[in-house]
Amino acid sequence: QQQVKQSPQSLIVQKGGISIINCAYENTAFDYFPWYQQFPGKGPALLIAIRPDVSEKKEGRFTISFNKSAKQFSLHIMDSQPGDSATYFCAASFSTGANSKLTFGKGITLSVRP
Amino acid sequence: NAGVMQNPRHLVRRRGQEARLRCSPMKGHSHVYWYRQLPEEGLKFMVYLQKENIIDESGMPKERFSAEFPKEGPSILRIQQVVRGDSAAYFCASSPSDGTGNTIYFGEGSWLTVV
Repeated sequence: QQQVKQSPQSLIVQKGGISIINCAYENTAFDYFPWYQQFPGKGPALLIAIRPDVSEKKEGRFTISFNKSAKQFSLHIMDSQPGDSATYFCAASFSTGANSKLTFGKGITLSVRP
Repeated sequence: NAGVMQNPRHLVRRRGQEARLRCSPMKGHSHVYWYRQLPEEGLKFMVYLQKENIIDESGMPKERFSAEFPKEGPSILRIQQVVRGDSAAYFCASSPSDGTGNTIYFGEGSWLTVV
């Protein structure tokens, strides 16, 4: 059972456009939702994260929108640039208890065309 | 990201050999996680350790794989008698021990190739 599902599987966007990546989760006990960005040959880097007490969080060109009732959250990249071309992973974890391990989606490859 | 140090970055092993991957967490972090990433796949959790303790090893294969995080020195992921299916990128991550454990930072990874 895949607890965190991403869509679409890949995305191509023109420079200056908006990239939207969606994520759905199964376990309602999850209460921490980060997005990671990974370039080829590199480790994942934390991009932005949200907790369910807010519906939206913005950092620069990156925004997370969170819908608790639908068990979904999404990443919006405004004014997409070729340098944003990478693989993006959503993840989820529990903020309480002894184990903060992240459960990841399969990732989507974003290509931003010049 | 650069604060979590992994070595070696690339490792080639013949089938049946042993692979040892090392991870030094970020300064001030005492929680270590190991993840495996297969080609075209997401990151799969393997094991979560604190100093001298394995907290969660639910993602570790039952045989040939082991992990430790000793009181002194780096965390070690050990794969005995490697097979071709072990070829993957292995990522170590760490988080603080001050209650904000959700902020997990990854290293650059160790790429294992089994020939």
